[in-house]
Amino acid sequence: SQKIEQNSEALNIQEGKTATLTCNYTNYSPAYLQWYRQDPGRGPVFLLLIRENEKEKRKERLKVTFDTTLKQSLFHITASQPADSATYLCALDNNNNDMRFGAGTRLTVKP
Amino acid sequence: DVKVTQSSRYLVKRTGEKVFLECVQDMDHENMFWYRQDPGLGLRLIYFSYDVKMKEKGDIPEGYSVSREKKERFSLILESASTNQTSMYLCASSFAGNERNTIYFGEGSWLTVV
Repeated sequence: SQKIEQNSEALNIQEGKTATLTCNYTNYSPAYLQWYRQDPGRGPVFLLLIRENEKEKRKERLKVTFDTTLKQSLFHITASQPADSATYLCALDNNNNDMRFGAGTRLTVKP
Repeated sequence: DVKVTQSSRYLVKRTGEKVFLECVQDMDHENMFWYRQDPGLGLRLIYFSYDVKMKEKGDIPEGYSVSREKKERFSLILESASTNQTSMYLCASSFAGNERNTIYFGEGSWLTVV
């Protein structure tokens, strides 16, 4: 069956460090992979999209990698700040008009 | 800015009641989605629609139906609400086409069934 797994439910790191979140998938062949941020009680907000033929994508302090052989995406936040504390969701686009999401990783950045 | 508006932020309904959750988007998106989100389970796709009057089942369609009579509006219907449908419901929309765009979410509707 198709599965999307994000490495851990919660991740705590110190301010200034790099946060690394993992998204693994099985039985998918996604054309795109996306990362979203969700704050408590709010809807998810899009952060980055990476295509299957791209290895890496950057946006300010964010970096995403996509390894279709390993079936894995890594999401990095460098120089993390307490304001980065949120739940981060990966989403796979099956190129079939539907999107599937992982359960998310709750990141807490401590001052 | 893209806006996806969900009609109700918080609802409390009784078991057996019929419940309507309304969603409107203002970006002329072809695709619209309904998800529910539960702790530990993440976002699960209930139904999606890629055109007016078209609908596709997602992963958990049982107990739900949808309606898309106009491009900008996508309604989720719980024919007979049950306590296990207590959840946060998220509506979303996106463009279709080969160059895939991002999904835009509403703020969510918190439904409690008592």
